This record gives sequence, C-alpha cells and structure tokens, in this order.
Amino acid sequence: GENVEQHPSTLSVQEGDSAVIKCTYSDSASNYFPWYKQELGKRPQLIIDIRSNVGEKKDQRIAVTLNKTAKHFSLHITETQPEDSAVYFCAASIGGSYIPTFGRGTSLIVHP
Amino acid sequence: GAVVSQHPSRVICKSGTSVKIECRSLDFQATTMFWYRQFPKQSLMLMATSNEGSKATYEQGVEKDKFLINHASLTLSTLTVTSAHPEDSSFYICSSGEQETQYFGPGTRLLVL
Repeated sequence: GENVEQHPSTLSVQEGDSAVIKCTYSDSASNYFPWYKQELGKRPQLIIDIRSNVGEKKDQRIAVTLNKTAKHFSLHITETQPEDSAVYFCAASIGGSYIPTFGRGTSLIVHP
Repeated sequence: GAVVSQHPSRVICKSGTSVKIECRSLDFQATTMFWYRQFPKQSLMLMATSNEGSKATYEQGVEKDKFLINHASLTLSTLTVTSAHPEDSSFYICSSGEQETQYFGPGTRLLVL
C-alpha cells in the first residue's frame, strides 16, 4: 500500500519567516495530494491540494509543489503569522479510491 | 466545501458501556464515509470505510465486532464502540466528500472511565 513520510515533525519559526514542510510517497499511482491544517482539538481542514498533472499551485500565502519523478511534494507558507500555528498533515491518494494515506503531521509553531 | 457534522462532540462513559457516534453529510449525498481514530499528537488512523447499503470495510487490526458501523442512508453513518474500555478513549473523526476531496467532521472525544 501507499506510504507517506512527512518531515519535519516539529517546525518552529519567527513571525514573518517562511515555513516548508516536505512529504514523500511510495505509490507512483497516487495522483491527488491534499494538505490539511488541524488546530488543537479541532477537525482537520483542507487548505490546499494538488493533482499530479500540475507541478505547482498557489493560494495567497500558501503554495504546494509536486515532483512526480522524485515522488515528493511540499507545502510552503510565506510571511507566517501566529495563527498559522497548527499541525499540518500531507496526504496522498489514488484517484477513484478516495482513501488518503496521511503523513504523521508537522507541528508548526510561529513565534510572534 | 462540503459540510460534515458529527455528534456528540464529547462523551464520557463507564467501562463496559456502548457509545454511538453519528456522522452526517449536510449538503451532499455520501455513498462512502470514513472513520478515523486519532491519539494525542499523532496522525489520523483510518479504521474503516463505511459504504451506504453494504458492509463496512475494516482496516487491518480493527475489530469489526468492537467497532460497529452502520451506513443506512446517504447522509448518515454511525460508529458504535461496543463494551468500551479505557484504551478506547480517543478522538474519533469521520470524513466524507465528493470525489477525492475529503471533509472532516468536528470529531468526537471519547473518554472511558
């Protein structure tokens, strides 16, 4: 089955800095890669996703890049703010299965 | 995005009792719903896939007789934790969606005393 590795497990940055979270996947058939943000005690919220026919996608301060050859994808957050502090999960799934395999999560801490 | 609700948000029960958690899709029909379990500071662990009108598909290591899933309608799936024990205490979350994008319910925090 699919295996998703996520790094780092914890990321601490100063407000205004950029943050990068990286994930790798094992199944070359995976073609959908969502990113979720989970604040303490709350549900994971979809923040951005990318499909395998696209190399990069951007939405305001967040962007995701995908390298199909290397089987890795990354989340980039620019101009971080304290409210960005949360746990971020990457996931990979095969189109049609709708079952994502999640990474272990990255706890992002943005210091004011 | 799609809206998924979950009830109750929090439940405390005695060991040996059963607890039912409901997951509802509010603005779309969900032929498939997923149930996850999340321990503190850990990732989401898929427990089972709930299919409307048929039996659920359980992940390896998840006891189907312990975690009963019913998906009787296109908007409701239920997870019943039977004979709950303290080790069943966890955060249970359901998800559903249209196409690949999954939307999560708010979760149910279960504490078994």
